Amino acid sequence: VIWMTQSPSLLSASTGDRVTISCRMSQGISSYLAWYQQKPGKAPDLLIYGASTLQSGVPSRFSGSGSGTDFTLTISSLQSEDFATYYCQQYSGFPRTFGQGTKVEIK
Amino acid sequence: EVQLLESGGDLVQPGGSLRLSCAASGFTFSSYAMSWVRQAPGKGLEWVSTISHSSADTHYADSVEGRFTISRDNSKNTLYLQMNSLRAEDTALYYCAKDLSPGVVIIMFDNWGQGTLVTVSS
Repeated sequence: VIWMTQSPSLLSASTGDRVTISCRMSQGISSYLAWYQQKPGKAPDLLIYGASTLQSGVPSRFSGSGSGTDFTLTISSLQSEDFATYYCQQYSGFPRTFGQGTKVEIK
Repeated sequence: EVQLLESGGDLVQPGGSLRLSCAASGFTFSSYAMSWVRQAPGKGLEWVSTISHSSADTHYADSVEGRFTISRDNSKNTLYLQMNSLRAEDTALYYCAKDLSPGVVIIMFDNWGQGTLVTVSS
């Protein structure tokens, strides 16, 4: 099993802030990492795959980086619609696993 | 536009069975691996099961192996999850999700349904 540690679990920020979310793996997964955004009462949306490839239609203020065991999701300038919960997911090994989630709330 | 519409969720007693369905439209269903992902109330996401586009390959989380069976009918553009020996810890919103790329099993999802709620309680 590939264990994932996502941090922080809660992030308080203001509109316009630059925010970063971390996802660390218990073993290397190359770049087989995706990031999702989930708003309350909604299904998740794919933001990034391959650690750094932006899904079609996702604003360019979102970016992903990292490979191996350490990954980061960055929102360059937080917008009101970005307050949500974010999950990382590895698709390198079985079982596929998600991080615990990071809730981004209004400061 | 891709649409995934889950159904079949219900209140069921521990030890009971349930079959979930996911009706797909807006894409070539028979070309994509499909999965079920669940989310317990107030909790995070948990991958449950995946089936390849041709049904040749299936994968399960350890927590459901031997109790759940994933299947698909490409002629009906429908995905299924047969759930047996249900436990309280299976209580969750069950999402149907589509793989990103055709023809391969990646298990990373670019489209999700809105979910169907399964509650296991006496």
